[in-house]
Amino acid sequence: NAGVTQTPKFQVLKTGQSMTLQCAQDMNHEYMSWYRQDPGMGLRLIHYSVGAGITDQGEVPNGYNVSRSTTEDFPLRLLSAAPSQTSVYFCASREQGGDQPQHFGDGTRLSIL
Amino acid sequence: GENVGLHLPTLSVQEGDNSIINCAYSNSASDYFIWYKQESGKGPQFIIDIRSNMDKRQGQRVTVLLNKTVKHLSLQIAATQPGDSAVYFCAEIRGDYKLSFGAGTTVTVRA
Repeated sequence: NAGVTQTPKFQVLKTGQSMTLQCAQDMNHEYMSWYRQDPGMGLRLIHYSVGAGITDQGEVPNGYNVSRSTTEDFPLRLLSAAPSQTSVYFCASREQGGDQPQHFGDGTRLSIL
Repeated sequence: GENVGLHLPTLSVQEGDNSIINCAYSNSASDYFIWYKQESGKGPQFIIDIRSNMDKRQGQRVTVLLNKTVKHLSLQIAATQPGDSAVYFCAEIRGDYKLSFGAGTTVTVRA
């Protein structure tokens, strides 16, 4: 099993550009989520999904869209990149049930100029 | 605002000594807690978890203690090794199953 795979690993964008961060998991997990990690702030939840076709907002959803057309994939879209979105983005998945640990990908390091 | 926080942002420990990493949380409704380890350039990796109906749980070289009275969580690492150098996060699961993370403690192991 590859676990949670994120692509790309690094990306530099100009302000106003759009892009999609890819996330795929091969563990048949229903629950998937996206976090951003900024220095001194821990991980903050952007969006999450409890299953295919269902998504919901986390604590910092503005500027990001998600969709969940399959169980395996959970892409994160930046519609119009802003410098404030410079961060490291982590995708995670877990089995259903709140008391299950999340499995994280290795992150996408995104810089917005 | 944050519900979970760590007492110290950095911890330096001599190789072979025991490490104790502390975490305070404010949401008394949280019922599940997790410790993660994050190495440079990697995503967080699950270490150990504990449910709110327990006060101690042990793994391989790690022990998590939960004190619900003072809303305090700690991770103890026995015989700290160079490979233990990383950032450690505590996280809590609230009733809506959303994970809330602290800012992390950077552990540096001295040879």
